[in-house]
Amino acid sequence: DSGVTQTPKHLITATGQRVTLRCSPRSGDLSVYWYQQSLDQGLQFLIQYYNGEERAKGNILERFSAQQFPDLHSELNLSSLELGDSALYFCASSPGTGNYGYTFGSGTRLTVV
Amino acid sequence: AQSVTQLGSHVSVSEGALVLLRCNYSSSVPPYLFWYVQYPNQGLQLLLKYTTGATLVKGINGFEAEFKKSETSFHLTKPSAHMSDAAEYFCAVSPWGNGGSQGNLIFGKGTKLSVKP
Repeated sequence: DSGVTQTPKHLITATGQRVTLRCSPRSGDLSVYWYQQSLDQGLQFLIQYYNGEERAKGNILERFSAQQFPDLHSELNLSSLELGDSALYFCASSPGTGNYGYTFGSGTRLTVV
Repeated sequence: AQSVTQLGSHVSVSEGALVLLRCNYSSSVPPYLFWYVQYPNQGLQLLLKYTTGATLVKGINGFEAEFKKSETSFHLTKPSAHMSDAAEYFCAVSPWGNGGSQGNLIFGKGTKLSVKP
């Protein structure tokens, strides 16, 4: 157990739908990162939050949004889902803002049918 | 732009043989470099990292990597492979070098390591 908790582990939904992925960071960590892992694109950085504020943005689609709540958990919202959104979505956390290596959760596998 | 290239999407070694996984990077700033391992159906686990200082970095499970600035490389090695080392390995670079205020990473495509008995 890495200390980063992601729910649900698996999600199957239809095209056009909206889903919410949840992440609880490791105790004491203030930064949360979201990554998408797919066979064709590999691991792609989506977005970083630090203590409730957006800190960095990567290749995140406009249909996707995220937020970090006062208790530091984070949610990634994916809407108007397409088949190509099927992927593993990972959350990671770290104590601060800079990069000294962070801890990944075990991921949410999203399948869009 | 920063990037990471991992040579060889699949590497197969015999148990007890040397493991060498190659990683080359490009970075416009002094890089922070990382190796992560991913076992099937699990998240990524940090193996080792180079930030500053000693260029030979030791990590968990007997792995080590050497930062070679002149070759822009950060290859991962282990003297003797175990069956339990079979996994996918990812090299990553921090595009912000010393971290700054943003901590996102750029990952290579990964190398799947198989270990034959």
